[in-house]
Amino acid sequence: EDQVTQSPEALRLQEGESSSLNCSYTVSGLRGLFWYRQDPGKGPEFLFTLYSAGEEKEKERLKATLTKKESFLHITAPKPEDSATYLCAVRDDYGGSQGNLIFGKGTKLSVKP
Amino acid sequence: DGGITQSPKYLFRKEGQNVTLSCEQNLNHDAMYWYRQDPGQGLRLIYYSQIVNDFQKGDIAEGYSVSREKKESFPLTVTSAQKNPTAFYLCASRQEGHNLNVEYFGSGTRLTVT
Repeated sequence: EDQVTQSPEALRLQEGESSSLNCSYTVSGLRGLFWYRQDPGKGPEFLFTLYSAGEEKEKERLKATLTKKESFLHITAPKPEDSATYLCAVRDDYGGSQGNLIFGKGTKLSVKP
Repeated sequence: DGGITQSPKYLFRKEGQNVTLSCEQNLNHDAMYWYRQDPGQGLRLIYYSQIVNDFQKGDIAEGYSVSREKKESFPLTVTSAQKNPTAFYLCASRQEGHNLNVEYFGSGTRLTVT
């Protein structure tokens, strides 16, 4: 069964304290791994998509990396405005998901000034 | 501005009433999706449509219905048969076959049924 697990569930950082969020996945054939940011009461906002092991993408203080079993979202010197829930999702090429996105439960990041 | 518009932002209904959530997109995307989000759970797929006049059930379709009469519109009806309808509902769209393969989301509708 296709699965996506995100850890930790919640993460509290001080401003400037770098850290990483993890997304581990089990799929038959990966057709893309997606990172989204979601603010309270709003829809998810697309951040990155990764397709193959070894691929990396960067945007401001965020950097996403991908291996064959997991992805990391690295946050360098975070600011309070980076506080949000970060969602990971995978698109499977085969199996019961029919190519639809499978989401993890998210990591809620809080950055204190 | 191109995007996905969900309305209303907040919706309150009495138990036993059907309610329809609106989703409109002007991105010219072929595929549209409805998800449900509950606290502590990942987004769960309710229904999706890859082309006009066609749609498929997702993982939790029971108690919901949809239509896709126009490319731009994909309304979701929450029927009285849905046992636990209070949730945050998200609509998304994607351009089929696009290299980026990304789903873009609307701002959501929070439905409260009492």
